[in-house]
Amino acid sequence: GIQVEQSPPDLILQEGANSTLRCNFSDSVNNLQWFHQNPWGQLINLFYIPSGTKQNGRLSATTVATERYSLLYISSSQTTDSGVYFCAVMDSNYQLIWGAGTKLIIKP
Amino acid sequence: GAGVSQSPSNKVTEKGKDVELRCDPISGHTALYWYRQSLGQGLEFLIYFQGNSAPDKSGLPSDRFSAERTGGSVSTLTIQRTQQEDSAVYLCASSLFPGATGAQYFGPGTRLLVL
Repeated sequence: GIQVEQSPPDLILQEGANSTLRCNFSDSVNNLQWFHQNPWGQLINLFYIPSGTKQNGRLSATTVATERYSLLYISSSQTTDSGVYFCAVMDSNYQLIWGAGTKLIIKP
Repeated sequence: GAGVSQSPSNKVTEKGKDVELRCDPISGHTALYWYRQSLGQGLEFLIYFQGNSAPDKSGLPSDRFSAERTGGSVSTLTIQRTQQEDSAVYLCASSLFPGATGAQYFGPGTRLLVL
């Protein structure tokens, strides 16, 4: 089945810093999503991005489908950005296959 | 509704009892998904509904787990004879389109603790 790997597993930054999170996947996909899970457990859909680039405020994402990776950029990070960021891709059975996540801590 | 809602938000039960978890998807969303997340772990896919039918039930961990969806809307996940290893957060998500198109939107989850 499809494998999804995220890096780095942990990231600690000072408020105001920029960061890049990476997601590699082992097979071609037509559905890739980035999620943020906040410290209270709520999962928020950040981007549906099977290919191309999207931006939403301080966040942007790029998926290069032909090279099987996606990047999530966070600029001018804030303490509220803390949490776990998941990348997930959909397999042929319509199941989302999840990466292990990147745990981000933003220090004030 | 404005978002996916789930109830109860928390459930504590004794080993061996049955529990029912409810999910109300976003109005008009045709696809509905159940996942569970154990502490510190990623998400485990359980089942997917397209309308009222579940094309793939292979993600359900055992025959103690069952799920149904009625009227293309509300879904119920039932766990019979609960075991301590069933303790987890059960998350529901919905998407506008079935299949491989579109984003999934998650509810707040039901935190299940089996004593």
